[in-house]
Parts: sequence; structure tokens; C-alpha cells
Amino acid sequence: TQLLEQSPQFLSIQEGENLTVYCNSSSVFSSLQWYRQEPGEGPVLLVTVVTGGEVKKLKRLTFQFGDARKDSSLHITAAQTGDTGLYLCAGVPGSNYKLTFGKGTLLTVNP
Amino acid sequence: DADVTQTPRNRITKTGKRIMLECSQTKGHDRMYWYRQDPGLGLQLIYYSFDVKDINKGEISDGYSVSRQAQAKFSLSLESAIPNQTALYFCATSDDRVGTGELFFGEGSRLTVL
Repeated sequence: TQLLEQSPQFLSIQEGENLTVYCNSSSVFSSLQWYRQEPGEGPVLLVTVVTGGEVKKLKRLTFQFGDARKDSSLHITAAQTGDTGLYLCAGVPGSNYKLTFGKGTLLTVNP
Repeated sequence: DADVTQTPRNRITKTGKRIMLECSQTKGHDRMYWYRQDPGLGLQLIYYSFDVKDINKGEISDGYSVSRQAQAKFSLSLESAIPNQTALYFCATSDDRVGTGELFFGEGSRLTVL
């Protein structure tokens, strides 16, 4: 059973479009992170959210942590080709230290 | 220079061979990890180490072993490689003073077992 479910698994859009990807769980997380991974590289941390209902913005990217700390979303406004990559969410469930990863959303932004 | 360095970046080997992947870090973090990434399966934790004397199995440790030679070095070994160990392997570190478990990854080692 996958603790963190990411959707959609694949997303292909045109430059300039908006998009939202989701990270859902039935478990409560003490914190949740979003990483972006480009081909041939390791994942790079984008943001960490720790408080239920928290919203963080990183330029055109908006991250939200659900009120119950069981889910998160990533919204990209006016996507650019440079946003192409694999977006991974990862969380620390409850008091268990070990970070758990979702399977990721592979985003392709076409020119 | 990268904060987390993995060697080799690419390796092709044959079934039954012993393989070692090495990781070194300059971030000064105590915690180090080895992950495996397969298409469609995300990142799976193989082993992790919270300090030089502390080694722990992750989700998929069978067929793998590790050595924490120093705070900055953590190596992963495949004693007798098999084709289903073909994957992309990542080393990562984290700062135990930060409770959110944020990871800093190396660039990956692509292993192909024929």
C-alpha cells in the first residue's frame, strides 16, 4: 500500500497553462515536502510545509498543506518549459522519522 | 562542486559481480541514506545511517549492504549483482537538527546489471 498517492501520474501541457498536482494520504504527516527531479539529476527540495492549512509560494509555484495534514497540492501558474520534470512529494508520517515518498507526477511542458 | 557526490555515475556490470557505489558529502550532516529509483516506483529506501555507529535497514535492504566509513562517507555494496538490481541509485543526507527530514541528494549512480 502506497502511503502517499500522487496524481496525476503523467501530465503534458502547453506553455502558459496552469496546472495542479496532488499528494494524498489517509495518514497524518508532521511535515510534507515537494521535490523536483530533472532528467539525470537527483531530486531537489522545493518547499517544506509543516502547519495544517499552510500556503507557501515560490515564484509561480503555490504549495498548500491540507488542514488535516493528510494531503498537499502544488499549483503552477503559467507553466514554462523549464518546469518540466518529476515532482515528488514526501512526508514524515506522525512520529516516525522515516521520510516516505510518493511515486511522483511526471510533468512535461511543451513549447 | 556538489555537496553530495556519488561515484561512479554510470556502471555496467555482469550478474554475480560485486559492486560498490560510493557517496561523500561536504554538508556536515550526520544522517545519510541510500535510495533506489525505478520508473513508476518512486524512491525506495535501502539503508540509512544516523551516525557512524548507527546503520539501519530500509524498505528493500535484501541483496545490499552498506558501510559508514566516516561522517562524510557512506558506501553501498551489492555483493552479487543480479539483473533486477538495475536501477538509479541515490545517496542523500539530512541535518538531524532540523526535524522535518529534508533531504539533499547526490546526482545519482545508474547501475546496469547484465
